[in-house]
Amino acid sequence: ILNVEQSPQSLHVQEGDSTNFTCSFPSSNFYALHWYRWETAKSPEALFVMTLNGDEKKKGRISATLNTKEGYSYLYIKGSQPEDSATYLCAFASGGSYIPTFGRGTSLIVHP
Amino acid sequence: NAGVTQTPKFQVLKTGQSMTLQCAQDMNHEYMSWYRQDPGMGLRLIHYSVGAGITDQGEVPNGYNVSRSTTEDFPLRLLSAAPSQTSVYFCASSYEGLAMGEQYFGPGTRLTVT
Repeated sequence: ILNVEQSPQSLHVQEGDSTNFTCSFPSSNFYALHWYRWETAKSPEALFVMTLNGDEKKKGRISATLNTKEGYSYLYIKGSQPEDSATYLCAFASGGSYIPTFGRGTSLIVHP
Repeated sequence: NAGVTQTPKFQVLKTGQSMTLQCAQDMNHEYMSWYRQDPGMGLRLIHYSVGAGITDQGEVPNGYNVSRSTTEDFPLRLLSAAPSQTSVYFCASSYEGLAMGEQYFGPGTRLTVT
């Protein structure tokens, strides 16, 4: 079982703040890293799939970076809005199993 | 497109009962999977399928069976329900595979075993 850690576990910010959180994963045998957004009472929704060291992806105010050599990915949200409130999951897939292992998520609450 | 659909939304079972959770997708995705979500844990893979007629075990397969007779459907069977199987179950499908492809999740089935 692969160790995928997300930090912090939860985060409260004010509307307009920019924020970021971390997904840590094994640095060997990397294959892919996924980010999902999971709103309460809904299903997880894919944000990014990242495969190359140094990858940067962006969707609106949300962006992500990837460092496969040191085993981490950052998710950034610029100018947080209340509708950004959700749990953000990362999932790591290694070249050994090709099955994604999910982290426990970072719960973000944006206060108006 | 309905995407990924799951039925039922809620279910209460007694210990020892069996049941089937239904999952269907209309996106013609080859890859389908079942996850369970428990408090304080990440989504854990139960079983997955890479195409009709082909299934394999994930991280937590014990107590569950699957089959994939069509591309669209991927039912999950609980053989003899146990309280430890109380969980929220999500079905997902993807075009490119579990590792590389974006997974599309269904709305979930909340199962309670008493």
